Amino acid sequence: DQQVKQNSPSLSVQEGRISILNCDYTNSMFDYFLWYKKYPAEGPTFLISISSIKDKNEDGRFTVFLNKSAKHLSLHIVPSQPGDSAVYFCAASAIQGGKLIFGQGTELSVKP
Amino acid sequence: KAGVTQTPRYLIKTRGQQVTLSCSPISGHRSVSWYQQTPGQGLQFLFEYFSETQRNKGNFPGRFSGRQFSNSRSEMNVSTLELGDSALYLCASSLVPGEDYGYTFGSGTRLTVV
Repeated sequence: DQQVKQNSPSLSVQEGRISILNCDYTNSMFDYFLWYKKYPAEGPTFLISISSIKDKNEDGRFTVFLNKSAKHLSLHIVPSQPGDSAVYFCAASAIQGGKLIFGQGTELSVKP
Repeated sequence: KAGVTQTPRYLIKTRGQQVTLSCSPISGHRSVSWYQQTPGQGLQFLFEYFSETQRNKGNFPGRFSGRQFSNSRSEMNVSTLELGDSALYLCASSLVPGEDYGYTFGSGTRLTVV
């Protein structure tokens, strides 16, 4: 039972353009969402988060959007840079402090 | 400050053996979580410890167990290894469970079962 789903295993984008990574969830009890980035041979690193009381959170080139009615969140990276090439995981928890449930990951490739 | 340290980085074991993986959290962090990463499955939650107590447990068989020591270091053990246990095992720590900026992960232990 995959409660958090990232249906695109990979995404390729041109440098300077927008990258949009999507994530869907099924558990309506989730109210805290995070994005992590993972390079090969390294652990995931925290990128950005959003709580269910918001529909948008922005940090530099990264913006996360949350659509609670659709149980969907997305990560926008503008402009995309080659150094952004990594695997991106979305994660959710039912309460802030609850266990994190991760999606399968989307491998982003930003081409120069 | 030092990050989350996992040892060993790589491990090869034979089916039926058992293995113990170690995780040293960031100094001062008291919460440790363990995840299994396999291709196509993402990160699967194993368990979470806080102040030596297991707070949460994922849907893994009893062959997977863990513990946390008084210095917050944690170990996980897998007994009677199966080929399907081959994966990257990640440990994450935080001051307390679920901080605003999420967990800090270690680089993982790559376990290969042959």
